[in-house]
Amino acid sequence: AQTVTQSQPEMSVQEAETVTLSCTYDTSESDYYLFWYKQPPSRQMILVIRQEAYKQQNATENRFSVNFQKAAKSFSLKISDSQLGDAAMYFCAYSNTGNQFYFGTGTSLTVIP
Amino acid sequence: NAGVTQTPKFQVLKTGQSMTLQCAQDMNHEYMSWYRQDPGMGLRLIHYSVGAGITDQGEVPNGYNVSRSTTEDFPLRLLSAAPSQTSVYFCASNRVGSYEQYFGPGTRLTVT
Repeated sequence: AQTVTQSQPEMSVQEAETVTLSCTYDTSESDYYLFWYKQPPSRQMILVIRQEAYKQQNATENRFSVNFQKAAKSFSLKISDSQLGDAAMYFCAYSNTGNQFYFGTGTSLTVIP
Repeated sequence: NAGVTQTPKFQVLKTGQSMTLQCAQDMNHEYMSWYRQDPGMGLRLIHYSVGAGITDQGEVPNGYNVSRSTTEDFPLRLLSAAPSQTSVYFCASNRVGSYEQYFGPGTRLTVT
């Protein structure tokens, strides 16, 4: 099975500042997808951003961007201009089949006003 | 579209009881999955299906059964509930070729 590791159980950031959440993964595949999901207290899983491994360009969605380092098997999420609504649990996930997804253990992000 | 729906939202069972968690999607997605979420463990794949009549095991299948008789529905059965199955359960679906999963709202199950 693939493994996805998030080594930061908790992170905090001042409102309007930038924070980076880390994720590493282990795979022998060359083609796969990586994801960041946000889970607010409502429990709903929300897709924040995704990266296709064959694309060298890092994905960006408004204030969210990733740093994808394929050789290092690293996939970090940068949140710029942090807002109170960004406070949530963030999960990194991997899939190379589209029908099996592997998730990390999550990082709980606190935004300090 | 209702998206992915799950029932019930909350359930309390006694050890040894059986129950079925319901999951339905109205997006005609071929792929459907069941996950459990435990504190500090993230989401772990229980079972998944690539189409009606086809199911397979994920990372943590023991104690759970699934079937997929229609494209829309993917129920998860607990035959004899155990306290270790206390968790939040999520159902998800996605289209073949699309890696974007749509999640249901989750079911919080407590087994006493």
